[in-house]
Amino acid sequence: EIVMTQSPVTLSVSPGERVTLACRASQSVGSSLAWYQQKPGQAPRLLIYGASTRATGIPARFSGSGSGTDFTLTISSLQSEDFAVYYCQQYKNWPPYTFGQGTKLEIK
Amino acid sequence: QVQLVESGGGVVQPGKSLRLSCEASGFTFSSNGMHWIRQTPGRGLEWVAVIYSDGSDQFYADSVKGRFTISRDNPKNTLFLQMNSLRVEDTAVYYCARDPVGVSDAFDIWGQGTMVTVSS
Repeated sequence: EIVMTQSPVTLSVSPGERVTLACRASQSVGSSLAWYQQKPGQAPRLLIYGASTRATGIPARFSGSGSGTDFTLTISSLQSEDFAVYYCQQYKNWPPYTFGQGTKLEIK
Repeated sequence: QVQLVESGGGVVQPGKSLRLSCEASGFTFSSNGMHWIRQTPGRGLEWVAVIYSDGSDQFYADSVKGRFTISRDNPKNTLFLQMNSLRVEDTAVYYCARDPVGVSDAFDIWGQGTMVTVSS
């Protein structure tokens, strides 16, 4: 099973700041990496797939990069609606498909 | 619009059974692989099961293998999860999700979730 590790667990940032979230896989997943955003009481929403492709309707301030074992999600200028929990997920080697434990973005 | 709506959650005693449903609309259901994923505060997001678009194959997480069964009724645009021999640790919010390309891609559409509580 591929273990996905996200860092940091929590990040306190101010609106307008640029932020980078990290995700590491225990073995290579190529570019088969997705990022999801989840707000309280809601289902996860797909942001990025293929490590760097924005899903339909996702603003350009969200960008993903990386391949192999190390990946990042960058939000160029945080908006109030971006404060949420972010998860990475690999879909290269399954079953099982595996998720990271999440990074929570908090308002500073 | 493209939508998934889960139902069937509730409170059940350990050892009992429950059947979840996920009704799809706004897309050609029979063209997509479908997944069940669950979420708890302690274990985060945990993938549970996947079924191919035509129902020809299914895969399960080790934690539910032999107890849960994923199935689908394509003419009725509905996905199911039959959960038997339920355990306290199966308590979670259960989501269904769509795989946009077969069964080897990210999950692009999620339902709103249904809560399952296993407790005596």
